[in-house]
Amino acid sequence: QSVLTQPPSASGTPGQRVTISCSGSSSNIGSNTVNWYQQLPGAAPKLLIYSNNQRPSGVPDRFSGSKSGTSASLAISGLQSEDEADYYCVAWDDSLNGYVFGTGTWVAVL
Amino acid sequence: QVQLQQWGAGMLKPSETLSLTCAVYGGSFSDYYWSWIRQPPGKGLEWIGEINHSGKTNYNPSLKSRVTISVDTSKNQFSLHLRSVTAADTAVYYCARNWVLTGLDSWGQGTLVTVSS
Repeated sequence: QSVLTQPPSASGTPGQRVTISCSGSSSNIGSNTVNWYQQLPGAAPKLLIYSNNQRPSGVPDRFSGSKSGTSASLAISGLQSEDEADYYCVAWDDSLNGYVFGTGTWVAVL
Repeated sequence: QVQLQQWGAGMLKPSETLSLTCAVYGGSFSDYYWSWIRQPPGKGLEWIGEINHSGKTNYNPSLKSRVTISVDTSKNQFSLHLRSVTAADTAVYYCARNWVLTGLDSWGQGTLVTVSS
């Protein structure tokens, strides 16, 4: 059961900037940090952003994250064909005492 | 670089128990929590629960009555048991490392478990 709400899809042409939103509540995004994951078709999710806006080593700086209140966003600038994937946000929820995932957003590169 | 390798039965009948194990290679085992996550075909991700090296667990309330996560620190392994499975439990199951600063930062390859009579 997904507690964090994302748009089902987003799209852009190569080189464009795409932004994905993630809406939660005071018990999850409002109280804890947000991570973002990229899931290519048939593969396991890969950590893209942690602690709202930090990139693990090896993740291009085209990917950036932000958080404000009970919402978070992932931006992909300079969109590339290999960015076509599902993207998920996730945060710890203090009420559930566990992680909650976003509904997922499919990014299409036109 | 940590690697997580998971295995377990891929086909189950309704009412059986799902059992998966995840082995951790490289890095410390005791500094982290270790999680299980699942993804039904064509759907999103769902966190199942987590355990640390001393056996402290947290479970998703929606699955808590049927789930047990255990740990074997002598082998750097942790396991998932989900009782009384139904077709709704058909999913790819992932194990993952969970660190306080980076969250779920390393994942296993995933295991497809199909429940069918």
